Amino acid sequence: SAVISQKPSRDICQRGTSLTIQCQVDSQVTMMFWYRQQPGQSLTLIATANQGSEATYESGFVIDKFPISRPNLTFSTLTVSNMSPEDSSIYLCSALGGEGTAQYFGPGTRLTVL
Amino acid sequence: DAKTTQPPSMDCAEGRAANLPCNHSTISGNEYVYWYRQIHSQGPQYIIHGLKNNETNEMASLIITEDRKSSTLILPHATLRDTAVYYCIVRARGGATNKLIFGTGTLLAVQP
Repeated sequence: SAVISQKPSRDICQRGTSLTIQCQVDSQVTMMFWYRQQPGQSLTLIATANQGSEATYESGFVIDKFPISRPNLTFSTLTVSNMSPEDSSIYLCSALGGEGTAQYFGPGTRLTVL
Repeated sequence: DAKTTQPPSMDCAEGRAANLPCNHSTISGNEYVYWYRQIHSQGPQYIIHGLKNNETNEMASLIITEDRKSSTLILPHATLRDTAVYYCIVRARGGATNKLIFGTGTLLAVQP
């Protein structure tokens, strides 16, 4: 199984600022994803991070608000831009290996925006 | 939208088997059934997946009906640490549909 780490594990930020979350996988993976989990809710897929090209965003999420990078097969970043209190959530990185493997999740980044 | 239906909550006595049902009546022939769980404040944990045959691993067993329209996750001897939200998800194995879409899941409360 892939081991996924995220940094920071939590942060408290001021309104209007931006935060970049890092995701590191211990092995090369084919696909990486970013999810959001708002308080008391299930997980919502934000985007698929594509290696070497622009991320693919789900409906309701845009690149200007959630820019994503994936420079190689083991690393990705998600930036939450111009934050507001509504962005307070847990942000989770996820990775999928090759055919026949399961998709694994990082521990999440708990973000609080004041 | 999630393609599965699960009860919002269930209770189970510690040491007994926990049987978590899931309906997926619109499942396609190339879609697998995946189960994950999320213990409070942690990332989702992969449990098991299957296509049409029953599957078993060290964590659980997955029973899929012959018509594949429903399945049951079985935790054979539930412990307090199994208290979590359990998600049943259907997903095709390859291509652009390689996305896990989470529903609301079942909150399993294991009682002492």
